[in-house]
Amino acid sequence: GAGVSQTPSNKVTEKGKYVELRCDPISGHTALYWYRQSLGQGPEFLIYFQGTGAADDSGLPNDRFFAVRPEGSVSTLKIQRTERGDSAVYLCASSLIGLAGTSPTQETQYFGPGTRLLVL
Amino acid sequence: SQQGEEDPQALSIQEGENATMNCSYKTSINNLQWYRQNSGRGLVHLILIRSNEREKHSGRLRVTLDTSKKSSSLLITASRAADTASYFCATDVRGGGSARQLTFGSGTQLTVLP
Repeated sequence: GAGVSQTPSNKVTEKGKYVELRCDPISGHTALYWYRQSLGQGPEFLIYFQGTGAADDSGLPNDRFFAVRPEGSVSTLKIQRTERGDSAVYLCASSLIGLAGTSPTQETQYFGPGTRLLVL
Repeated sequence: SQQGEEDPQALSIQEGENATMNCSYKTSINNLQWYRQNSGRGLVHLILIRSNEREKHSGRLRVTLDTSKKSSSLLITASRAADTASYFCATDVRGGGSARQLTFGSGTQLTVLP
């Protein structure tokens, strides 16, 4: 089936504005993850959903960042009062389940193409 | 600091040669995964190796894991120009409630020259 999709692919906004980034996980995947990647760096974890609930939001940098997954499928990452330092590629991933120690197929995280956010 | 750190940061080889990239990490892990990324966009999953495994193969890829040294290596045999990309290792850390986040290193930029 289709992979993880993210929209928009690119977003340019002005400092102080509000943005929403959307992620459509692979159908049937219960676990969903958001990461942020700055230029020349590896992705950094932001938040992990198991079903509808945020199981781990320890990577969110501050309270301007919020994410929801109301029906356990599509997720939206919301950034308020954007700052230039928020500019990065925001990556979404999903896995069949979110429990460790099951099987590689179930644990593997599949990534979307990312949304490149530029805050001017 | 990053859990996984790749070495070298950049590697340039001729087509047909083998490429070896290394990854070191700090804490106990459930598994370690290798990803490839082209042009700074989506990551492609290559291979997952569990903490109780020592070696895995997938096509031209060979991954080893040494938990006593907290290190892993990715070997790409008979490289092709299309293998040019950034390669990241990512660790899935053991324990800690719902710890399902992957922790990535800064990556190795591989360039395969035709």
